[in-house]
Amino acid sequence: KAGVTQTPRYLIKTRGQQVTLSCSPISGHRSVSWYQQTPGQGLQFLFEYFSETQRNKGNFPGRFSGRQFSNSRSEMNVSTLELGDSALYLCASSLVLRDNEQFFGPGTRLTVL
Amino acid sequence: AQRVTQPEKLLSVFKGAPVELKCNYSYSGSPELFWYVQYSRQRLQLLLRHISRESIKGFTADLNKGETSFHLKKPFAQEEDSAMYYCALSGFQGAQKLVFGQGTRLTINP
Repeated sequence: KAGVTQTPRYLIKTRGQQVTLSCSPISGHRSVSWYQQTPGQGLQFLFEYFSETQRNKGNFPGRFSGRQFSNSRSEMNVSTLELGDSALYLCASSLVLRDNEQFFGPGTRLTVL
Repeated sequence: AQRVTQPEKLLSVFKGAPVELKCNYSYSGSPELFWYVQYSRQRLQLLLRHISRESIKGFTADLNKGETSFHLKKPFAQEEDSAMYYCALSGFQGAQKLVFGQGTRLTINP
């Protein structure tokens, strides 16, 4: 079974631009979560989606948004990029809502110049 | 508020020695605790969770609600245990939100 895939793997943007990251969960998984990983703040929860509905949101500004499609694929968008948004963005999927074993993707490395 | 603390950023032990990675948490309810591991050039993956009470790769972790701790232990370290270890907390059953500690980089010396 293929694992969680994320595209693109690497991205370079400049301040003020916007970016969209994509995540394809493991086949059959309906829950998708996003995390931001930085050296200073570590792993921080961004959002959680289940059946196209955002169930939970972390403490991030409104510039960070996401969505989930009917096939469970998810995207996250960051508008008006800032230097501090440079990070590894991880997506994780799980089979059902009550199962906390999350399977992580390889991440998208975003660099904001 | 939910919080996970891993006091050691780096931990270095010799092969065959016991290993203990510390994790303390703060949560007013009944948490679910996990250990995730990231080996070099690999994805973050679940190592174990307290509700299953399993021993994975020789590692065990006991949830101590009195001390609000979930330390990870292994009696005899192996070189392949070298990795980044993250303790994580989920506040309620069914919630996918994980609160992670800062991680401990474990190095096993030959």
